Amino acid sequence: DAGVIQSPRHEVTEMGQEVTLRCKPISGHDYLFWYRQTMMRGLELLIYFNNNVPIDDSGMPEDRFSAKMPNASFSTLKIQPSEPRDSAVYFCASSLARQSRIYTDTQYFGPGTRLTVL
Amino acid sequence: AQKITQTQPGMFVQEKEAVTLDCTYDTSDPSYGLFWYKQPSSGEMIFLIYQGSYDQQNATEGRYSLNFQKARKSANLVISASQLGDSAMYFCAMRTVSGYSTLTFGKGTMLLVSP
Repeated sequence: DAGVIQSPRHEVTEMGQEVTLRCKPISGHDYLFWYRQTMMRGLELLIYFNNNVPIDDSGMPEDRFSAKMPNASFSTLKIQPSEPRDSAVYFCASSLARQSRIYTDTQYFGPGTRLTVL
Repeated sequence: AQKITQTQPGMFVQEKEAVTLDCTYDTSDPSYGLFWYKQPSSGEMIFLIYQGSYDQQNATEGRYSLNFQKARKSANLVISASQLGDSAMYFCAMRTVSGYSTLTFGKGTMLLVSP
């Protein structure tokens, strides 16, 4: 089975430009997560969806960040306008919820998108 | 609030030896899951092993085992017979009932395996 797919793998852009990161979760998974990883802050959860509905976006740094999940097989994370401090690796992860013990669900990560904002 | 602490920024081990990576956690939830992930230099996050708070036995997955000591709130990862390909960053993470679906990560331990 295919794992979580992210595109692009690398993105270099200039400050002020719009950036769109894409994610395809594992088929059948009903949770999708967006994380950001930096040296200073480690891994941070930005937002997560359940059945395409955003559940918690409290980790989204500011209004420049937005995320959508129009269907079960696709999600986007958009930064507009981008700033140099947004430079990081952005991971998408998905999991299949087993309602009886939701805390046991394993999150599977995509390869990440390395974003550099100049 | 949930917290994961990994006190070893870096660890060195020789090939074929065993190594233990430490992880302590803090939560007031009685129900939780503990996870270990590996992040090689290529950047991807690879799931290694899982331990549930109610599991009676320590989890094992091939050369990986989890030394779960509930009273001490520790979940150390043991890698037996280290290989050069084990050189990577290792993250401990926790998920709780009250935390819903979110994973709380530690800061990671960099493991270097030498020939």
